[in-house]
Amino acid sequence: GDSVTQMEGPVTLSEEAFLTINCTYTATGYPSLFWYVQYPGEGLQLLLKATKADDKGSNKGFEATYRKETTSFHLEKGSVQVSDSAVYFCAPYLGNLIFGKGTKLSVKP
Amino acid sequence: GAVVSQHPSRVICKSGTSVKIECRSLDFQATTMFWYRQFPKQSLMLMATSNEGSKATYEQGVEKDKFLINHASLTLSTLTVTSAHPEDSSFYICSALQGEATDTQYFGPGTRLTVL
Repeated sequence: GDSVTQMEGPVTLSEEAFLTINCTYTATGYPSLFWYVQYPGEGLQLLLKATKADDKGSNKGFEATYRKETTSFHLEKGSVQVSDSAVYFCAPYLGNLIFGKGTKLSVKP
Repeated sequence: GAVVSQHPSRVICKSGTSVKIECRSLDFQATTMFWYRQFPKQSLMLMATSNEGSKATYEQGVEKDKFLINHASLTLSTLTVTSAHPEDSSFYICSALQGEATDTQYFGPGTRLTVL
């Protein structure tokens, strides 16, 4: 069945470090792909999306590229900040959003 | 744009009482809204899909008589937890689709329900 596998956390980085959070999915067809971010005590915010193969979504310095061949949508940021500390969810749209388990990121000053 | 609000943000109630949570799309009309439940340190679980003017569609394992959903207008959906019990304590999050030909959901800030 349709599913999403997300890199398990927690991930702890120092400020200005490079971030990668892996996400792969299994599905028939080519779903739109989303990354959502949840800051402590809050709901989810849309971070970025990509709707077709080779599209790159980007926002707030984060990027993710829709890789059809590897069914992946890895999230990257070149230089993280303390304010990026949050839980990140990968979610392909397969009729409904299917959420990964989330990856908690902690950025230390 | 695309702001979704929820009210209340936190609620504490006694076991056996009912609690209503409101989800509003503030600057757009939402034909479809969704209700999710999130347990501590876990992902979101879709509970139901709410369509304006029609009955909600519940996911398998979700009791429709316990979690009543009403989507009476294009900007408001409500979730009522009836006869709440401590195991219903959770973080409830709604989302809304902006328009019909879209797959982008905008989420509310969530409601923390604690049942004593």
